[in-house]
Amino acid sequence: QSALTQPPSASGSPGQSVTISCTGTSSDVGGYNYVSWYQQHPGKAPKLMIYEVSKRPSGVPDRFSGSKSGNTASLTVSGLQAEDEADYYCSSYAGSNNFLVVFGGGTKLTVL
Amino acid sequence: EVQLVESGGGLVQPGGSLRLSCAASGFTFSSYDMHWVRQATGKGLEWVSAIGTAGDTYYPGSVKGRFTISRENAKNSLYLQMNSLRAGDTAVYYCARGTGFGSFDYWGQGTLVTVSS
Repeated sequence: QSALTQPPSASGSPGQSVTISCTGTSSDVGGYNYVSWYQQHPGKAPKLMIYEVSKRPSGVPDRFSGSKSGNTASLTVSGLQAEDEADYYCSSYAGSNNFLVVFGGGTKLTVL
Repeated sequence: EVQLVESGGGLVQPGGSLRLSCAASGFTFSSYDMHWVRQATGKGLEWVSAIGTAGDTYYPGSVKGRFTISRENAKNSLYLQMNSLRAGDTAVYYCARGTGFGSFDYWGQGTLVTVSS
């Protein structure tokens, strides 16, 4: 069982927007602004899409955005494109006395 | 171009040991914290270990006492010594570069570790 809770699946049609949630606790998501999101295509390594809740690494389209409210973080993909179909994982820093990172179980995003 | 290349995976019996390596290039290796993250087939990601620039190390409870992360800055290399391996340790192990508080901006292609008799 993963530390962070994500819906197992999400879907949308091309051009639409979809939001994926990531629920934790006050010890992880709610306690730090260090939530990240990763995209993973089948057989490939994960790719960082969002870090520190809402920041995008260079090269990530601005169609991808992140936010957080309380113990729940969200990833929104706007203007869905076929290549956005992938697994998405959230993670959060969770260390207080020690370094710790926890992940969500992943969400399979299907572009209809 | 940042590159991370893992090696050392393979088949090992329960209770056995294995040492993974990660060769880094394209950045100043000594300036970054480095991590190992694993993924069992069809499952999610699990953070396995971290090493800071000063050599400080961190582990989750699932591997603490069995796994040891180390680095050799002169060789731009990261290692993971895995002892007392269990079937539940079977996974693809990724080497990843840290950005600070738990984000990983570059990942290797992964190396498969299979623990089975």
